[in-house]
Amino acid sequence: RKEVEQDPGPFNVPEGATVAFNCTYSNSASQSFFWYRQDCRKEPKLLMSVYSSGNEDGRFTAQLNRASQYISLLIRDSKLSDSATYLCVVRGDSNYQLIWGAGTKLIIKP
Amino acid sequence: NAGVTQTPKFRVLKTGQSMTLLCAQDMNHEYMYWYRQDPGMGLRLIHYSVGEGTTAKGEVPDGYNVSRLKKQNFLLGLESAAPSQTSVYFCASSYGGQGTGREAFFGQGTRLTVV
Repeated sequence: RKEVEQDPGPFNVPEGATVAFNCTYSNSASQSFFWYRQDCRKEPKLLMSVYSSGNEDGRFTAQLNRASQYISLLIRDSKLSDSATYLCVVRGDSNYQLIWGAGTKLIIKP
Repeated sequence: NAGVTQTPKFRVLKTGQSMTLLCAQDMNHEYMYWYRQDPGMGLRLIHYSVGEGTTAKGEVPDGYNVSRLKKQNFLLGLESAAPSQTSVYFCASSYGGQGTGREAFFGQGTRLTVV
C-alpha cells in the first residue's frame, strides 16, 4: 500500500461547480498535512496547510479526518484557473521528510 | 524576484555520461532539497541539506551526489547516468524543515532524458 494515495482523476468539472477529492495516508502518527498545486509542466506550489480543526481559504476548504486517515480538499465555485494537479503531502518521520501523493488532476470546463 | 533557480532546464545525456544540476536560491533559506518526479508517482526526495556544508540522504539517493559549499547553492551530480534516471528534477528550499509547515519553494524543474 502506498503511504499517500490519491485518485489520479482526471476530474472533469463544469465551471462554477463544487468539487472535492480525498487523499488517504498510511502512517497514523503523521502530524502535518498539506495540499500543493502543480500546473502542467510547472513546479509545485503550496496551496494550503491542513489543520486538525480544518481550515478555509477563500473558495478552498481542507479537512483532516484522523480516525479514517484521510484529508480532503473542497473547491467551491470552481474557476477555469483551478485546472491543475493537486498534490497531497504528509509529513514523514522527520521534519525534513515529506511524503507526496502522485496527485489528482482537475480539469475545469467552460 | 528570482526565488529558486535551476539550471539547466532541459538536458539529454547518453548512458554513462555525467552532469551537474545547479540550484540557486536568494531567500537565505537554510534548508534545500532535491526531488525527482516520475509519471504516476509522487515526488521523491533524493538528498537534502539543513545548512551550508551539510548534506543527507533522502529516499532515493543511489546514483546521485550533492554538495552545499555555499548557503545559496545546492548541486546535484550524476556520475554515470542511467536510463532509470530519466525524470524531472526539482530543487526546493525552505526557511525551516518542510515537515514543520514551512512552505517549500520550488525551482522550475530540469527535464533530464538519459538515452
